[in-house]
Amino acid sequence: EAEVAQSPRYKITEKSQAVAFWCDPISGHATLYWYRQILGQGPELLVQFQDESVVDDSQLPKDRFSAERLKGVDSTLKIQPAELGDSAMYLCASSQGTFYEQYFGPGTRLTVT
Amino acid sequence: AQSVTQLDSQVPVFEEAPVELRCNYSSSVSVYLFWYVQYPNQGLQLLLKYLSGSTLVKGINGFEAEFNKSQTSFHLRKPSVHISDTAEYFCALFSGGYNKLIFGAGTRLAVHP
Repeated sequence: EAEVAQSPRYKITEKSQAVAFWCDPISGHATLYWYRQILGQGPELLVQFQDESVVDDSQLPKDRFSAERLKGVDSTLKIQPAELGDSAMYLCASSQGTFYEQYFGPGTRLTVT
Repeated sequence: AQSVTQLDSQVPVFEEAPVELRCNYSSSVSVYLFWYVQYPNQGLQLLLKYLSGSTLVKGINGFEAEFNKSQTSFHLRKPSVHISDTAEYFCALFSGGYNKLIFGAGTRLAVHP
């Protein structure tokens, strides 16, 4: 069964450092999502791509976060500089389209010290 | 505005007992409703979904949920739980107006022997 891949699974970084996460969606899925899940809360959408275009980044802290999906396949989420409050699980999901079921990857757990 | 409220942050239950996890939602437009399960340090897995039609929805692992439009609820039930059901459960809604999944804060189900 096809799955969404994410790496790394765990990342520890010091504040003010840069960090990047990678996501490879299920083959053929045009829509890709990045979510942030703070401990004890539900996931919150950071950014949504349709192919290589951003369709929603209203909750992305653009002063320090960036996301790209250059060829409309895999995607990278970057934080620079990282802050203590960025410690969270970062989940990637993909779907065939906006109105289709989302499939989630295993996530990257970020700890900022 | 749209929102999802999960009424219990934690639900302890003994093995083989029935369980109900409560979810209420708020939306001014018609919605699709979902329940996801998250095991420790893993991504989210879809348990079941309500799109339209029968208000009683059956999902994986013996779970079911009932959509109640008048009470704006979508409670999750299982008649007999197992130790392996111990996990975090998230209720979520999707509406065409906002085109994004909105998650509740989650309910931690702890099954004790």
